[in-house]
Amino acid sequence: DAGVTQSPTHLIKTRGQHVTLRCSPISGHKSVSWYQQVLGQGPQFIFQYYEKEERGRGNFPDRFSARQFPNYSSELNVNALLLGDSALYLCASSLAGEGTQYFGPGTRLLVL
Amino acid sequence: QKEVEQNSGPLSVPEGAIASLNCTYSDRGSQSFFWYRQYSGKSPELIMFIYSNGDKEDGRFTAQLNKASQYVSLLIRDSQPSDSATYLCAPHSGNTGKLIFGQGTTLQVKP
Repeated sequence: DAGVTQSPTHLIKTRGQHVTLRCSPISGHKSVSWYQQVLGQGPQFIFQYYEKEERGRGNFPDRFSARQFPNYSSELNVNALLLGDSALYLCASSLAGEGTQYFGPGTRLLVL
Repeated sequence: QKEVEQNSGPLSVPEGAIASLNCTYSDRGSQSFFWYRQYSGKSPELIMFIYSNGDKEDGRFTAQLNKASQYVSLLIRDSQPSDSATYLCAPHSGNTGKLIFGQGTTLQVKP
């Protein structure tokens, strides 16, 4: 079975631009969570979606938004990019919101 | 106080030894606890999880949980050089579904 997939794998943007990151969960999983991991730190929670509804939001500015589609895939959008948004963005899927989370390979974003 | 605290290391052990990784957490409402391994440049990979106080064994790995002390640990027996990685402790916040990660402990297993 395919695991969690994310696209793109790498991305370079400039300050002020916006970016869309995509995630497809494991087949049968209905929940997707997004995390940001900067170098040397553990992942920080951004959002969780379950059955297309936002179930949790971390301490990130409104420039960050996300949504989940009927097929349970998800998009993370970041507007007005800042240098500090450079990080590894991780998507994790789980059967339900409380379940074990399995991570995708991540998207590495560099903002110049 | 950080929500999850781990010694960043590096923790260096010789091949074949037992590596002990520790984690404390602040949210007494956390009910489940996860250990992930992350190789440099890769995404976190689930090792195991534990819900109940006591020990849980899976192969060379043993997770230990003490909710009264808000303490979780991971023991790796017969450590191998391939175990060299960063180990992330993550209590689960049941209210929001989020995992709360520590900064991770870097383990180095020397041949």
